[in-house]
Amino acid sequence: QVQLVQSGDEVKGPGASVTISCKASGYTFVNYGITWVRQAPGQGLQWMGRISPFNGNTNYAQNFQGRITMTTHTSTTTVYMNLRSLRSDDRAVYYCAREIAVTGTVGIYFFDYWGQGTRVTVSS
Amino acid sequence: QSVLTQPPSVSAAPGQTVTIPCSGSSSNIGSDYVFWYRHLPGTAPKLLIYENNKRPSGIPDRFSGSKSGASATLGISGLQTEDEADYYCGSWDTSLSVGVFGGGTRLTVL
Repeated sequence: QVQLVQSGDEVKGPGASVTISCKASGYTFVNYGITWVRQAPGQGLQWMGRISPFNGNTNYAQNFQGRITMTTHTSTTTVYMNLRSLRSDDRAVYYCAREIAVTGTVGIYFFDYWGQGTRVTVSS
Repeated sequence: QSVLTQPPSVSAAPGQTVTIPCSGSSSNIGSDYVFWYRHLPGTAPKLLIYENNKRPSGIPDRFSGSKSGASATLGISGLQTEDEADYYCGSWDTSLSVGVFGGGTRLTVL
């Protein structure tokens, strides 16, 4: 069965960086992109960006440009999301999600399987 | 500030039907598909509706989706107490190639 298992919760200081992993199993890894979404306390879901494990192509939300990097390791079927220069408002639960391309379209996806979430706390 | 607009909350009694609206623009819902997710805080979101009105396997037909222009609606009939959750609409901004979500609607089953 399809599973996305994320790394554990993190506590970081302001200005630090965090890397969250998302290990995929149960499907052909390179055939599906991975999107990252976060939810800050009391807020809605926020799309952060996506990566294609097939070719490593990424697309990041404007809000995170310059602070975020997504990478994939095909041999371990794992996707990584690194967020730098952490601020207090980066405190959130971060999710990875598998993308399904909408039939007959290019670049439009929905998310059918999600990781369990990784809580990131930013505190001095 | 979410790109798509949803009411913060809706409520209805068990057995009734509730609708949750989602409003966007010509660059997202108006030119693209809508998806709906259900989220219980502390758990992984779950896909309810894709491509405006299709249900994944395992989602009961009590859940329905529709789209008209730059707006969409999630319908839930035969409400059950376990339907209490946050519901999010999602789409894509085709000009920027980025995903967008609504702010979420908390459903309370009275």
